[in-house]
Parts: sequence; C-alpha cells; structure tokens
Amino acid sequence: AQRVTQPEKLLSVFKGAPVELKCNYSYSGSPELFWYVQYSRQRLQLLLRHISRESIKGFTADLNKGETSFHLKKPFAQEEDSAMYYCALSGLRDDKIIFGKGTRLHILP
Amino acid sequence: DAGVTQSPTHLIKTRGQQVTLRCSPKSGHDTVSWYQQALGQGPQFIFQYYEEEERQRGNFPDRFSGHQFPNYSSELNVNALLLGDSALYLCASSLVGQDGYTFGSGTRLTVV
Repeated sequence: AQRVTQPEKLLSVFKGAPVELKCNYSYSGSPELFWYVQYSRQRLQLLLRHISRESIKGFTADLNKGETSFHLKKPFAQEEDSAMYYCALSGLRDDKIIFGKGTRLHILP
Repeated sequence: DAGVTQSPTHLIKTRGQQVTLRCSPKSGHDTVSWYQQALGQGPQFIFQYYEEEERQRGNFPDRFSGHQFPNYSSELNVNALLLGDSALYLCASSLVGQDGYTFGSGTRLTVV
C-alpha cells in the first residue's frame, strides 16, 4: 500500500532549538519525496524535494531508503517557521501526490 | 501571474444537492489535479485531467466527476452531496513532463 505517515500532529519547539519533523513512507518502487508547507492563511506550497537535495529556508531532508524515512530538519528554529507541514510522495513524473496527515509546527518564543 | 485561481472560495450546500467548483490553472500549465482535504487530514487525490480527459483517479465514488476545457481550466462536480463531502477542495496545476505542482487556495464546501 502507498502511504505516508507523520506520527506527530503537533510539535512545539522553542525558538533557536533544533527541529525534526518525522515522516515515514510505504511505497513499492522508488518514489519521489516532498515536503509541503502551509503558512497561516496561505496556500499549500512546495518546501523541498529529495531529488534536488536543496536547503530551503534552512530546512533539509534526507531520504533513508533502508528506514523508508524522509525526516525534515532545521538546526535553529525561527518564529516564522510556525506552519503546517505535510510530507508527501509520488511515483512517476505527473503522478498523483500522496500526502501525510500533516504536523503542525509551533515555534515558542 | 495570478497562479492557480479557484472559485468560489466558500459555499454552503444542502445534503442531496449538486455542486460545481472551478479552477483556472497557472499560466503555461496544462494539467489540473483535484484534491479533497477534510478537517485535520492531508489532501487526498480525487482525479487529474490532461488534454480534456481524466488521466488518473483516486478512490472517490462516481458522484465525483470533472471536466477540463480547451483553455485548460477545470471543473469538479459532486452529485448527491453527503455531509461527509464537507471539506476544502484544492486544485493543483502543472505542466506535463515537468516537475512541480502549484496549488490554489481552495474552495471550502460545507454540506448541511
């Protein structure tokens, strides 16, 4: 079965502390993995994808095929990081996106 | 560039009625996908349209149907509305063969 699991519904972190949002997936094949973010009153937008290996807004994510995980990390949280984060996967290009249920990240001052 | 535009932003319908939601893709995009996002859930794929045909479909009943027009805009139709159809409906556009989806702000449908 194709599935994305985000075990934490809510994660509260103090400003300046490290952040790790967990994501595990189940997929028969080699999926493409993404992290999407939705800031308050804004539309869903792509944060990063594993294939590009970029660091966006200080966030990175490493694909671990052995553990089927794609955790999102940031060494020092900022207040503007407060948002809803969705881990997602897709198969071939143009394929549908399968989303996790999301984790709300709350950065405490 | 306005990005993906969806209309209306909100609407309220009665159980058993029919509803049509509209989506204009980002300029240059030719593929439109529709997602349903229930409260507290991630978006779930409904279907995707390309070249005016349904190309992929998720696990949604036939009450959910769609259409794509020659200008690439799209409609999502839901018949015989149920209370459980209450959700945020998201449209995402893309260009076939290219990476990346652009999402609209969604239409909030409430069925009473």
